[in-house]
Amino acid sequence: EVQLVQSGAEVKKPGESLKISCKGSGYSFTSFWIGWARQMPGKGLEWMGIIYPADSDTKYSPSFQGQVTISADKSVSTAYLQWSSLKTSDTAMYYCARVSHHGNFPFAYWGQGTLVTVSS
Amino acid sequence: DFQMTQSPSTLSASVGDTVTITCRAGQNTGDYLAWYQQKPGKAPKLLISRSSSLEFGVPSRFSGSGSGTEFSLTITSLQPDDFATYYCQQYSSYSALAFGGGTKLEIK
Repeated sequence: EVQLVQSGAEVKKPGESLKISCKGSGYSFTSFWIGWARQMPGKGLEWMGIIYPADSDTKYSPSFQGQVTISADKSVSTAYLQWSSLKTSDTAMYYCARVSHHGNFPFAYWGQGTLVTVSS
Repeated sequence: DFQMTQSPSTLSASVGDTVTITCRAGQNTGDYLAWYQQKPGKAPKLLISRSSSLEFGVPSRFSGSGSGTEFSLTITSLQPDDFATYYCQQYSSYSALAFGGGTKLEIK
């Protein structure tokens, strides 16, 4: 069974750094694109970016380019989303998601979400 | 940015009704269009891929259509479990993945 398990909720102050994780299991982690989406409180989904773990090819949505870093560690089957300096506007639920099949496919598998709260 | 415009943003309907949600892409996305359902506090669930292909286990009252820049999701004979928020997403290019703004389907 394909599973994506995300790290737990975080409470941070503005300016702090953060790295959240998404561990894949039940499949070959390096073989499928995995990405991140943001959902601010009471708002819709926003796509942030996507990574191919086999070679770390990464594609960012223009809105998030330079604002976050997406990475993956094949040795532990885990994808990451990190910030170097958080803002209060980064307060949101963050979801990781994996494509359903090889090739051009949407995202059939989702993590449970990680709530990030940034407040002074 | 690849723009996806959904309408309406809110839709009120009753159990048993048929509803249609539309999604317009800013560029030709072929038929690389997916629909997701999200309930409060839960991750999105993929309902439809390739514009009209129902995912395994999704009830047949859900259907999708369209190609190019105009797409729609239709739900016939609404059930209580269908009241949720729906999002379209284009995936013709992983460099330009984008969601629509969402449609909240509410009970009238």
